[in-house]
Amino acid sequence: AQSVSQHNHHVILSEAASLELGCNYSYGGTVNLFWYVQYPGQHLQLLLKYFSGDPLVKGIKGFEAEFIKSKFSFNLRKPSVQWSDTAEYFCAVTLYGNNRLAFGKGNQVVVIP
Amino acid sequence: GAVVSQHPSWVICKSGTSVKIECRSLDFQATTMFWYRQFPKQSLMLMATSNEGSKATYEQGVEKDKFLINHASLTLSTLTVTSAHPEDSSFYICSAARQGFYEQYFGPGTRLTVT
Repeated sequence: AQSVSQHNHHVILSEAASLELGCNYSYGGTVNLFWYVQYPGQHLQLLLKYFSGDPLVKGIKGFEAEFIKSKFSFNLRKPSVQWSDTAEYFCAVTLYGNNRLAFGKGNQVVVIP
Repeated sequence: GAVVSQHPSWVICKSGTSVKIECRSLDFQATTMFWYRQFPKQSLMLMATSNEGSKATYEQGVEKDKFLINHASLTLSTLTVTSAHPEDSSFYICSAARQGFYEQYFGPGTRLTVT
């Protein structure tokens, strides 16, 4: 079965600090990879996605993620966070040709002004 | 664009009653809709996938007779929790996808509390 791992469930950092959230998945085959964000009181929104091509993907709000196939990873990064980045971040994976999403447990990120 | 709504946003019901949750794609046609359940401090668990005009496909461990899903049109799917019990209390989220696209657009969720 698909398995998606996200570590360090709670992350607290100060504004302007850099953020990196890890995501690893557990199965082989061609995958589609996503990062979703859920701001307090709001619904899930897509931050970025990887289907194929350049493994370094740029998303909205200054976020980027890098797909490393050999490590089964799709880590999310932002060089300088803002207070408004306080949210829960979810990594999700589907198998190519299948649109059923498997989610990681999420990272609760709190940015202190 | 690509807005998904859910109704109601929260509902409280008594044990043994049934509750219907609606999921609508407001500005696009959703050939596929998904229903998830989210427990506190945990991830989203896919419950079922529904394609317009056909029966839903349930994930392993999800009781199809308890969680009835209907996807009668390209803009509406409903989840009915039948004979609800307190353990069914949870946050239910739907998402919708256009035909041929992997990206899912999520609704705001429905908080169900069964007393």
